[in-house]
Amino acid sequence: GDSVTQMEGPVTLSEEAFLTINCTYTATGYPSLFWYVQYPGEGLQLLLKATKADDKGSNKGFEATYRKETTSFHLEKGSVQVSDSAVYFCALRKSDKIIFGKGTRLHILP
Amino acid sequence: DGGITQSPKYLFRKEGQNVTLSCEQNLNHDAMYWYRQDPGQGLRLIYYSQIVNDFQKGDIAEGYSVSREKKESFPLTVTSAQKNPTAFYLCASSPGTGGFTEAFFGQGTRLTVV
Repeated sequence: GDSVTQMEGPVTLSEEAFLTINCTYTATGYPSLFWYVQYPGEGLQLLLKATKADDKGSNKGFEATYRKETTSFHLEKGSVQVSDSAVYFCALRKSDKIIFGKGTRLHILP
Repeated sequence: DGGITQSPKYLFRKEGQNVTLSCEQNLNHDAMYWYRQDPGQGLRLIYYSQIVNDFQKGDIAEGYSVSREKKESFPLTVTSAQKNPTAFYLCASSPGTGGFTEAFFGQGTRLTVV
């Protein structure tokens, strides 16, 4: 069945470091891909999305490119801030269901 | 403001009791979802509904029930048959059944069995 695999955390970085969180997916056809962010005690917020191959989603300095050849959608940010500390979820949507990865907790140290 | 409202934020249940979690949206979205979140497990789909008076089981529906009598409301009942109900429950909605649209989430309800 369809699934999403993302790197396990926690990931701990210093402020201004470069961030990559890996995400790969398994799905037939052409799913849409998403990154969500969750702050403590809250629901999920959409961070960015891409709906077809080679699309790049971007928001708040975060970027991810839909790579069909490698079935990947890695999240990147050039310079992280303490306020980026949160849990990040990669997800795919095909038809009715939205399927999430297990989440990656990110800690940014000042 | 448009959005999804889940209530209550915290809920305590005694073993053997049923409890209902509320989810209301004023976004005029057709589709609604319930997810369960446990530490290290990510989000797991309980039930979803694409239209009023219709819903489908997700991956972990056992011990849960839902109804969709109105477009804006999708309550989740956690029954006494659910063996381990303590978790964070998230409700979401999306505009339609198309594959391009993202889900919008409520703030969640944390259920604890005491």
